[in-house]
Amino acid sequence: SQTIHQWPATLVQPVGSPLSLECTVEGTSNPNLYWYRQAAGRGLQLLFYSVGIGQISSEVPQNLSASRPQDRQFILSSKKLLLSDSGFYLCAWSPPRKLQETQYFGPGTRLLVL
Amino acid sequence: TQLLEQSPQFLSIQEGENLTVYCNSSSVFSSLQWYRQEPGEGPVLLVTVVTGGEVKKLKRLTFQFGDARKDSSLHITAAQPGDTGLYLCAGDSYGNKLVFGAGTILRVKS
Repeated sequence: SQTIHQWPATLVQPVGSPLSLECTVEGTSNPNLYWYRQAAGRGLQLLFYSVGIGQISSEVPQNLSASRPQDRQFILSSKKLLLSDSGFYLCAWSPPRKLQETQYFGPGTRLLVL
Repeated sequence: TQLLEQSPQFLSIQEGENLTVYCNSSSVFSSLQWYRQEPGEGPVLLVTVVTGGEVKKLKRLTFQFGDARKDSSLHITAAQPGDTGLYLCAGDSYGNKLVFGAGTILRVKS
């Protein structure tokens, strides 16, 4: 069966510091991978998605970047965090060759920028 | 831009009551998913509906996809405290990325 991991679970960072959040998927090959941000327990905003190694699509202009160095690894980064980067970050995967249908979510990372 | 509007935004009910959550759009979706999310955790898929007019049941939960595939509803019968959470609908528009509604926060009091 497939599983998805995210770490860290919680992170408190000062403004201006760098960020690296990691997401890994097990039990599937060549998944589509996604990064979302969720504010105040409400809807999800898609930040980035990837259909393969080194292939990243950005949905909204922002202070963040994403990378996919391996097939089942997706990393969310920032060089300098802003207060507005605080939120709950969710990684998700979906079966390969589809940018649609069901997505399966990780447990999330809560980021607080002070 | 495709939008999914969920209503109500917040619902607080007593254990045993029935409730319905709605998800509406002016866009057509090839499928629609419902997720439930508990605080501090990722959303968990409840159901996917694909065919216009489709009705799916999951124990006390009934999901319906509108005939025109623009809307969906989630009905919970005899709600229990364990049903408490954030309910999210998400639409898949023929190969585009999932579009999520803003969610409905449900609180079931015992």
